[in-house]
Amino acid sequence: DSGVTQTPKHLITATGQRVTLRCSPRSGDLSVYWYQQSLDQGLQFLIQYYNGEERAKGNILERFSAQQFPDLHSELNLSSLELGDSALYFCASSLTGTGRTGELFFGEGSRLTVL
Amino acid sequence: GENVEQHPSTLSVQEGDSAVIKCTYSDSASNYFPWYKQELGKRPQLIIDIRSNVGEKKDQRIAVTLNKTAKHFSLHITETQPEDSAVYFCAADTGGFKTIFGAGTRLFVKA
Repeated sequence: DSGVTQTPKHLITATGQRVTLRCSPRSGDLSVYWYQQSLDQGLQFLIQYYNGEERAKGNILERFSAQQFPDLHSELNLSSLELGDSALYFCASSLTGTGRTGELFFGEGSRLTVL
Repeated sequence: GENVEQHPSTLSVQEGDSAVIKCTYSDSASNYFPWYKQELGKRPQLIIDIRSNVGEKKDQRIAVTLNKTAKHFSLHITETQPEDSAVYFCAADTGGFKTIFGAGTRLFVKA
């Protein structure tokens, strides 16, 4: 158990809909990262927050948004869903940035299926 | 933008043989290079990492080497076992808040 909690574990929805994925980082970790992993693909970096502020952005679509709340949990909002958004979405946390503190701790992921 | 290339995409070895996975990175500011193992249906987990002030690091059957001049780093697994079968990802931290992953290498260890 990494200490990172993601909900829901599985989500099935239809095209055009909107979903919210939730992540609670490890106790004490201030940084939260979101990654997308499509079938047999790598880990695509979406966005990163540190202590409530956005610090880095990757290839995140405009239909996607995220935020980190004062209690440090984070939510990833996906809207106007398309079939190609079907993927496993991982949240990870670290104390600060990994360049300083090392390891990313991943949650179990939220598997999104868009029909 | 920042990029990490990883080769090969698939690697099949006989049990007991060695496996080598290679990565190159583009951002010269990168200073932290972790390797993650992802078993089928599981989350990625760190297996070894190296910082830019070190050229080589070893942990039992696993070793990582770093060549900062050439901007490449490699994972070496010796005496491979069937339980080493998984997808391995290299990554580079591009300055503290963005960890970019390679595309992954699917390793098969045949018994």
